[in-house]
Amino acid sequence: ETGVTQTPRHLVMGMTNKKSLKCEQHLGHNAMYWYKQSAKKPLELMFVYSLEERVENNSVPSRFSPECPNSSHLFLHLHTLQPEDSALYLCASSQLGQGFYGYTFGSGTRLTVV
Amino acid sequence: GENVEQHPSTLSVQEGDSAVIKCTYSDSASNYFPWYKQELGKRPQLIIDIRSNVGEKKDQRIAVTLNKTAKHFSLHITETQPEDSAVYFCAASDSNYQLIWGAGTKLIIKP
Repeated sequence: ETGVTQTPRHLVMGMTNKKSLKCEQHLGHNAMYWYKQSAKKPLELMFVYSLEERVENNSVPSRFSPECPNSSHLFLHLHTLQPEDSALYLCASSQLGQGFYGYTFGSGTRLTVV
Repeated sequence: GENVEQHPSTLSVQEGDSAVIKCTYSDSASNYFPWYKQELGKRPQLIIDIRSNVGEKKDQRIAVTLNKTAKHFSLHITETQPEDSAVYFCAASDSNYQLIWGAGTKLIIKP
């Protein structure tokens, strides 16, 4: 499969659960991102990984924990979430440097915290 | 740091008419300005972009203009069609290639 793939597409979890979101990019890009999309904040940057090193953490609560084992894979580990964390979580990738042409997004994971 | 403002937040136009969405940015060093379209329930997708060495770019019914002096850029859609209904986001790239996003414009095409 080409592009950026996210799994699962939908996730319902209780506030005491632990779950993980997965993102895989097949574009050979060197940077990956997690975004939160909600009605209040349309595109809210959470984390940035460049060459597998985290370079941005936008004051995200510790109940969200990212992991980037290699340049093609990105995870978002979730634990003890709150109802206000319900949102669409988008993964994206890009090629930093001369070949920069913006981001390619995955289809997102629709998360509902009950 | 960079700040991007986008207007209007909602735009309703008659099918066949033109639509214009405007964005302003604050960092004069920004040099890359993409526009993304997000249809309901789908991912944001790049529809057109422009770099700071160009003033205008067209792709069929879509065009983007850039005014570096005034630090604003605009998306123009001509002969609008129902499939143009979506949320449109502008962005500006800072020196670290990080995109700073506008708040989005919901475009409604009335039949």
